[in-house]
Amino acid sequence: QKEVEQDPGPLSVPEGAIVSLNCTYSNSAFQYFMWYRQYSRKGPELLMYTYSSGNKEDGRFTAQVDKSSKYISLFIRDSQPSDSATYLCAIESNYQLIWGAGTKLIIKP
Amino acid sequence: EPEVTQTPSHQVTQMGQEVILRCVPISNHLYFYWYRQILGQKVEFLVSFYNNEISEKSEIFDDQFSVERPDGSNFTLKIRSTKLEDSAMYFCASSVGTGGQPQHFGDGTRLSIL
Repeated sequence: QKEVEQDPGPLSVPEGAIVSLNCTYSNSAFQYFMWYRQYSRKGPELLMYTYSSGNKEDGRFTAQVDKSSKYISLFIRDSQPSDSATYLCAIESNYQLIWGAGTKLIIKP
Repeated sequence: EPEVTQTPSHQVTQMGQEVILRCVPISNHLYFYWYRQILGQKVEFLVSFYNNEISEKSEIFDDQFSVERPDGSNFTLKIRSTKLEDSAMYFCASSVGTGGQPQHFGDGTRLSIL
């Protein structure tokens, strides 16, 4: 079983929609969860990080962790064409990040 | 805002040659990392580095690879005797600490092995 699973998409939604991006993980010992955004030919850009179950909000972005289900989510409200990118979940373990495959998100004007 | 910088942005090298990828981490960060991303695949961890020592390395990081912090600002990844399958994007990252401290990434070096 892969440690972190993420649907690669692409996910295409109209501008203004609420976007839900998700990852599942296998190891219940994982504690630290991050979301990165990656534009083409750029490095991963940190969006959100959290270490507890529950929600964390930053502007239009909300990160949610459900440790009982081993499920993490990123919600984007009022999505904009500039949000079109690949979104990667990552989990810190033992001095390294373990990555999901990344979901390609397309916001249609 | 401070950022991680990587040079060169694109490196083309003949198979069998040695290549050095360079990174300048964020100045107050203590932990440094290298990752790679082969086209169309997941980001993969290579190595983490703290206090002038390797903290952790993956199976990918074999004797072909080495890292060094030659001075107070640079962090390098050396790949000896490059192979075609070493072609990838290589990302450097740094963090203040571990245990939930986020890693910040540079824009990568695209390594092409011919």
